[in-house]
Amino acid sequence: DIQLTQSPSFLSASVGDRVTITCRASQDFSNYLAWYQQKPGKAPKLLIYGASTLQSGVPSRFSGSGSGTEFTLTISSLQPEDFATYYCQQLKGYPITFGQGTRLEIK
Amino acid sequence: EVQLVESGGELVQPGGSLRLSCAASGFSLSDRYIDWVRQAPGKGLEWIGRSRNKANSYTTEYAASVKGRFTLSRDESKNSLYLQMNSLKTEDTAVYYCGRINGRLSDGMDVWGQGTTVSVSS
Repeated sequence: DIQLTQSPSFLSASVGDRVTITCRASQDFSNYLAWYQQKPGKAPKLLIYGASTLQSGVPSRFSGSGSGTEFTLTISSLQPEDFATYYCQQLKGYPITFGQGTRLEIK
Repeated sequence: EVQLVESGGELVQPGGSLRLSCAASGFSLSDRYIDWVRQAPGKGLEWIGRSRNKANSYTTEYAASVKGRFTLSRDESKNSLYLQMNSLKTEDTAVYYCGRINGRLSDGMDVWGQGTTVSVSS
């Protein structure tokens, strides 16, 4: 199985900050990586796919990069609505796996 | 509007069975891969299965944690997909989501249902 490890698991930041979340994989899977945002009691929302392609309708302050075994999600200037939990997901090999999540909270 | 709606979640005893439904509107389910993901209370996301599209004969994949107990099927006439869950365990307690794969396999799940809650307890 491909293991995904997100860092940090918890992040405290302020509105306007630039934040980066890293997702490291136990093996190479090219760019078959997606990022999701989840708010309490809601379904996840797709932000980034193919490691770096912004999903339609997602604000441009979100960006993704990386390939192989290390990927990053960057939020260039945090907005109040961005405080949520973020997950990476690999879609290359079965079983499909998610990272453990990064909880982003207001400082 | 493109939408997925899950239903069927309820309280069930260990060893029992349940069938969850995932109904699509605004698009044809037969054209798309559909994944199921669950989230235990206070925990992260866990992928549990995939139903490929009609072009790929609706073949399926399962996570080891549910293989042999859970089965995915479809009803084209109802534009719906079903998750049959047998031999349920307390650790199957979770919110279950179905989600549409966005085009290519690398594209992630772009449409999600609202989730349905399964509680396994005596």
